[in-house]
Amino acid sequence: KQEVTQIPAALSVPEGENLVLNCSFTDSAIYNLQWFRQDPGKGLTSLLLIQSSQREQTSGRLNASLDKSSGRSTLYIAASQPGDSATYLCAPPGGNTGKLIFGQGTTLQVKP
Amino acid sequence: NAGVTQTPKFRVLKTGQSMTLLCAQDMNHEYMYWYRQDPGMGLRLIHYSVGEGTTAKGEVPDGYNVSRLKKQNFLLGLESAAPSQTSVYFCASTPSTSFLAETQYFGPGTRLLVL
Repeated sequence: KQEVTQIPAALSVPEGENLVLNCSFTDSAIYNLQWFRQDPGKGLTSLLLIQSSQREQTSGRLNASLDKSSGRSTLYIAASQPGDSATYLCAPPGGNTGKLIFGQGTTLQVKP
Repeated sequence: NAGVTQTPKFRVLKTGQSMTLLCAQDMNHEYMYWYRQDPGMGLRLIHYSVGEGTTAKGEVPDGYNVSRLKKQNFLLGLESAAPSQTSVYFCASTPSTSFLAETQYFGPGTRLLVL
């Protein structure tokens, strides 16, 4: 059974810092992994999807890496901004029907 | 495209009442999902559907029923609401043949309070 852990649970940083969010998962037989962003009271927005054949995926100031063998993924945010404040969720698949298994997220606060 | 929409946005129920949550997507996606999000528990899958007329149980299906009579709609029913079903409910969809390379698209959520 896939289990997902995200560390840290919460993070507060000053604007401009580079930061790393960590995700670990127990079942390494995954075909992809997704990172989502959730703003308070809102739905989930997809940030990055990494295929199992990829090691990294980049979008703007975001870079996600995937190491299946160690069961780990990281989300790197460069030059953080107050608008980056949100909860970030890691989600590998749970089986082959597309359903996702979510971590509890890392809540990020970027202070001006 | 509107993407994934959910109706209603917020609802208060009394214990024992019934209701149906509606999810609609206009992207012609085959796969649809219902999750619930609770503090400290993260998002958990309730039921899902891999195509029109098909449904399957997820991680926490008890107390819920679903129907997928039309490809674009996925309904979640609570026959007799309980306080433990107080939660935020999210619907999501994804294409079928390419789900390995496609993200899931989420609706804005339905907040349900059962008194």
